[in-house]
Amino acid sequence: EPEVTQTPSHQVTQMGQEVILRCVPISNHLYFYWYRQILGQKVEFLVSFYNNEISEKSEIFDDQFSVERPDGSNFTLKIRSTKLEDSAMYFCASRDDRRTEAFFGQGTRLTVV
Amino acid sequence: AQTVTQSQPEMSVQEAETVTLSCTYDTSESDYYLFWYKQPPSRQMILVIRQEAYKQQNATENRFSVNFQKAAKSFSLKISDSQLGDAAMYFCAYRSAQGGSEKLVFGKGTKLTVNP
Repeated sequence: EPEVTQTPSHQVTQMGQEVILRCVPISNHLYFYWYRQILGQKVEFLVSFYNNEISEKSEIFDDQFSVERPDGSNFTLKIRSTKLEDSAMYFCASRDDRRTEAFFGQGTRLTVV
Repeated sequence: AQTVTQSQPEMSVQEAETVTLSCTYDTSESDYYLFWYKQPPSRQMILVIRQEAYKQQNATENRFSVNFQKAAKSFSLKISDSQLGDAAMYFCAYRSAQGGSEKLVFGKGTKLTVNP
């Protein structure tokens, strides 16, 4: 069964460094998302992406964050200058236009030190 | 703004028995979707079941079923014949079906323990 894949599974970075989290959505899906989950807290929406542009973003998704679909398969989340509070699990998800549910990747655990 | 509330931080059930996880939500919209996602220790988010608000019939998926009460804005998950593999965090989530918003709004989750 097709699945959303995310790399790396765990990334450690120093505060102030840039990180890029990578996702390969399911191939025929058109809607893409990033969510994050700080340890022990609920899952929070960051951004949705459709037709090569951001369709919605949350207050969390400030100028430090950006998303890109550089080719036909990858969907990336970039954090320009990481802060300690960016430490979290980051989930990519995708959906096709015939179904109501989004499918999630296994997540990338980001640790900022 | 929509909110989702899961009032049970933790629940436990004996293997083979039935457990119900509660979820309530607040919205002024009439058309929306509701979901239950499971997050095992691996932390991947796995869809368990979904419900379209316009459907009166409660969704079922094998041992999982929901009790959807639209007027009460309640969406509980029933797990029958609980198995050890059902142990996980369970998140209730809401998504609008109108106005173009794609985001899922999650509750804080319920940690389910299954005792052998």
